[in-house]
Amino acid sequence: NAGVTQTPKFQVLKTGQSMTLQCAQDMNHNSMYWYRQDPGMGLRLIYYSASEGTTDKGEVPNGYNVSRLNKREFSLRLESAAPSQTSVYFCASTPGTGGSQPQHFGDGTRLSIL
Amino acid sequence: QKEVEQDPGPLSVPEGAIVSLNCTYSNSAFQYFMWYRQYSRKGPELLMYTYSSGNKEDGRFTAQVDKSSKYISLFIRDSQPSDSATYLCAFSRMDSSYKLIFGSGTRLLVRP
Repeated sequence: NAGVTQTPKFQVLKTGQSMTLQCAQDMNHNSMYWYRQDPGMGLRLIYYSASEGTTDKGEVPNGYNVSRLNKREFSLRLESAAPSQTSVYFCASTPGTGGSQPQHFGDGTRLSIL
Repeated sequence: QKEVEQDPGPLSVPEGAIVSLNCTYSNSAFQYFMWYRQYSRKGPELLMYTYSSGNKEDGRFTAQVDKSSKYISLFIRDSQPSDSATYLCAFSRMDSSYKLIFGSGTRLLVRP
C-alpha cells in the first residue's frame, strides 16, 4: 500500500527554470494538500484541493500554481523558480475536508534552486 | 505572538528515559490536537490524535491536552533509539476549515 507518492525525490534547478512536482495517492481520498517545510518554520500550506475540480490558496501561494488532475493526482508547478523556493515540499491527503481529519503525508521532494 | 510555540531542541536523553515534549498555542478555537513524528528525510506520520482536554494513551506514548492553559504534551516512556526523530504538534478547528497549524518541531535524540 503506497499511500502518498511524490516524484521526484530530489531536484536542482537554476533560477528562472520551471518545474512540476507530482503527487499521487491511492487511498481514494478527496482532499489533497501541498506544503513546504523550511528550518525553524514548520510546515506551511501552499495550496489545497478540497475535492476533484477545486483548488484554493493556502498560507504561502505566491510563485506557485497547482492542478488537480483527477481524484488521485495533485501537481505543484513553479513557473519561474527563485532561490527563496529552495525547500522540502510535502504532499498530503485526507478522506474529506474538516479539521477532524488527520493528514497523510508523502516523503517529500527536496528542491534546490541555484 | 506565534499561533503555536514549540521548542526546537535538540533534546538528548539516554535510552529508557521518560521524554516530555510540549507545545503551547494561542487560538482557543482549536479542538483537535495531533502529534506527528518525522524521521530524517521522511514525511510526517501521525502518532497521536486527540479531541478535547484529557489524556490519551497508546503503548509507550501518552498525549495530554490542557485547554485551559492552551498547552499540549507528548510523553514517551521507556524511550528507544528508534524514537529519535523530530516531533511536530499540530492543531485544527472543529469547523469545516481545512487547516492544520503545525509547530516547528522538536528534535529528539535517544542515546543507546
